[in-house]
Amino acid sequence: EAGVAQSPRYKIIEKRQSVAFWCNPISGHATLYWYQQILGQGPKLLIQFQNNGVVDDSQLPKDRFSAERLKGVDSTLKIQPAKLEDSAVYLCASSLGTVATNEKLFFGSGTQLSVL
Amino acid sequence: AQSVTQPDIHITVSEGASLELRCNYSYGATPYLFWYVQSPGQGLQLLLKYFSGDTLVQGIKGFEAEFKRSQSSFNLRKPSVHWSDAAEYFCAVGAGGSYIPTFGRGTSLIVHP
Repeated sequence: EAGVAQSPRYKIIEKRQSVAFWCNPISGHATLYWYQQILGQGPKLLIQFQNNGVVDDSQLPKDRFSAERLKGVDSTLKIQPAKLEDSAVYLCASSLGTVATNEKLFFGSGTQLSVL
Repeated sequence: AQSVTQPDIHITVSEGASLELRCNYSYGATPYLFWYVQSPGQGLQLLLKYFSGDTLVQGIKGFEAEFKRSQSSFNLRKPSVHWSDAAEYFCAVGAGGSYIPTFGRGTSLIVHP
């Protein structure tokens, strides 16, 4: 089965520019997650979608970050404007149901963002 | 809120030696516990998880972990390490209504030949 697809693999931008990341979850997976992984730290959840609805975005910096999941399938995460501290790997994950129902998360390889 | 502490940033072992990676969690009730592995350029892969039941959990690639409530620990073990085990290992705890994993900062495993 195909895994979670993310693009681009790498992105370098200057501060104050905007950037967008794309994620295609495993087919049929209802739940989609975006994590931010700063160098030397563990991944931190930014937002969780159940189908096309937001379940949890409490840790998403909403003044500059936005995310959407159109039609409950693909998702995009946008940063506008980017700051130096946004340099990180952005990981997308999906699961068939939810973790509460003992569903396993499958992670993509991530997008590495460097903000100069 | 729940949290995870992985006290070792780096661990170095020789190939064939045994391995134990430490993980301590903070959560008021019985948590969901996970170990993930991340190889360079790869996504996180679930090694094993504990939700309930037997406190000794078997995972993939020969790994196991033991949940010890009295010590708030969930240490990962492997009896004989292979060079291909070199990677970053993350312990995670899930709590609350959605049981979404909260990750520790990770332990980098270095394997010497």
